[in-house]
Amino acid sequence: AQTVTQSQPEMSVQEAETVTLSCTYDTSESDYYLFWYKQPPSRQMILVIRQEAYKQQNATENRFSVNFQKAAKSFSLKISDSQLGDAAMYFCAYRSAERIQGAQKLVFGQGTRLTINP
Amino acid sequence: IAGITQAPTSQILAAGRRMTLRCTQDMRHNAMYWYRQDLGLGLRLIHYSNTAGTTGKGEVPDGYSVSRANTDDFPLTLASAVPSQTSVYFCASSERPRGRGTIYFGEGSWLTVV
Repeated sequence: AQTVTQSQPEMSVQEAETVTLSCTYDTSESDYYLFWYKQPPSRQMILVIRQEAYKQQNATENRFSVNFQKAAKSFSLKISDSQLGDAAMYFCAYRSAERIQGAQKLVFGQGTRLTINP
Repeated sequence: IAGITQAPTSQILAAGRRMTLRCTQDMRHNAMYWYRQDLGLGLRLIHYSNTAGTTGKGEVPDGYSVSRANTDDFPLTLASAVPSQTSVYFCASSERPRGRGTIYFGEGSWLTVV
């Protein structure tokens, strides 16, 4: 079974600075997807960024980028020019892309609470 | 705005009572899911449906049931609520049950069982 680990329960950063959130995962599969979701106090789960395992190029979405190290099974999220609105719980998640029975569920890490200091 | 609608947004429920959490999506997605979120545990899959008329069990299905009579609706029922079912419940959907499709989430239903 796949597992996702976020080793940083909490992180803080000064506004306008850069912060990196860590995520490692364990899988025996070769084809999968990785996601970062943001959950603000409103509890809504918002997709931040997605990475396909077969792509070597790291995904980027505006101020958000990832460092995907497939051999090391590492998938960190970098937030540049941090803004107050970035404060939230961030979840790393894994989803298999292989054709097997059942739902291709998202497997979540435990989350990292990010605080932005003004 | 298209998306997933959950109801109620919050509810306090007496133990032993029956409760149905409603979920409707208007994106015509084939696959739907119910997750529960507990502090320190992330989100865990309760039940899923790959397409209308089919359902399956996730990681923590005990005490819950679902149905998928049509594409849009995926209600979650607690037959006899217990305090350990106090949680935030998220309904989600994706265009396909497998592959590169992104899973989209509703805004959650906060359930407290007392």
